[in-house]
Parts: sequence; C-alpha cells; structure tokens
Amino acid sequence: AQTVTQSQPEMSVQEAETVTLSCTYDTSENNYYLFWYKQPPSRQMILVIRQEAYKQQNATENRFSVNFQKAAKSFSLKISDSQLGDTAMYFCAFMTTNFGNEKLTFGTGTRLTIIP
Amino acid sequence: DADVTQTPRNRITKTGKRIMLECSQTKGHDRMYWYRQDPGLGLRLIYYSFDVKDINKGEISDGYSVSRQAQAKFSLSLESAIPNQTALYFCATSDSGQASGRPQHFGDGTRLSIL
Repeated sequence: AQTVTQSQPEMSVQEAETVTLSCTYDTSENNYYLFWYKQPPSRQMILVIRQEAYKQQNATENRFSVNFQKAAKSFSLKISDSQLGDTAMYFCAFMTTNFGNEKLTFGTGTRLTIIP
Repeated sequence: DADVTQTPRNRITKTGKRIMLECSQTKGHDRMYWYRQDPGLGLRLIYYSFDVKDINKGEISDGYSVSRQAQAKFSLSLESAIPNQTALYFCATSDSGQASGRPQHFGDGTRLSIL
C-alpha cells in the first residue's frame, strides 16, 4: 500500500516571501500521479497542481511549482510571492496508474499561514 | 451552481440515529467517492464507485454504507451513528476518460456532529 507523509504540520511565512511544503511518499510502482490540494478556511478542496511521474519536467501553475525527485520519492510544493489568500491547509496526494484502481491516498496536511 | 453538491452542509444528530448524506454532480463524471476528514489524519477513503453498478469499500468502510442511485448521485449512510463518526465528509468525482490520473473534484463537504 502507498503512504504519503507530510512532516510539517504547520508553517508560517511573511506575505510576498517564498515557502516550500514538503511531501514524501512510498510506493513500489514506477508510474503514478501526484497532486497538491489546497483547503482554505471555507473548507473547499481545490486542486493546485498535478504531476505525472513519468514526466521529468516539474509541473508549474502560476506562482505554484513542484520539485519532483522520483528517486528520492519526494514531491515538494513551492509557493512564490505568497499572498494572504494562500493561507490554507495543503494536502499532498498519490494516485496509482493501475487502471480500475485509481484512488487517492492523502497525507495528513500542512497548515500554512501567510502573515501580513 | 456547484458542480458537486453535498447536502446537508452541516448536521448535528444523536448517537444511534440513521443519517444519510447526499451527493449529486453535474460534471457527467462516472466515478464518485466518499471521504472523511479528521484533524491530523487528512482525508481517508470510505467507499468509491466507478460506475452505477460498481461499489467498492475503501480504507475505513466499517459503520457506513453507500448507494449509487444514478450516475449523478451517490449517497452515504450511517445506519447507527456513533460519536467517533463526527467528522467532515467529502464527496468527490472524477472522469475515467481515456487517460489515467484524472484529478478528483470535491464538493464543499458536510460537517457531521454526533452527540
């Protein structure tokens, strides 16, 4: 079974600074997908970014980018020029590519606070 | 209107009561999921359904049941609620399509408190 570990329960950073959230995972599979979801105080679950394991290029979405290190099984999220609206819980998640068994396994989350 | 709608948004009930949480979607997705979120534990999968005739247990299905009434509707039931089922419950959908790794889209959650 796959496991996802987020070792930073809470983080805080000044507005406009850059912050990196860490995520590691354990799997014996070679092909899979990784996701970061954001949960603001409104409690919605919002997809931030998606990475395909067979693509070496790191995914980027505006101010959000990932550092995907497949050999190390690491998938960190970098938020540049942080904004107050980035305050949220962030969840890392893993999905197998085994067709018919594509389920998400989530980490325990990191609570990020952006300080004005 | 939301693509994935959960009702009710909040619910307080008593131990032993039967509870049904409902989820409907207008995204046309074939796959639907139920998760619960507890502080410090992240989201854990309760049940999932890849089409109307397919129901599968997830990581923590004990004490829960589901019904896939139509492609767009997936309900979660607690037959006899107990306090440790107090949690935030999410419904999610995804599209199988021709490619794997499709992201899941979540409803706004139902906060359930069992006294």
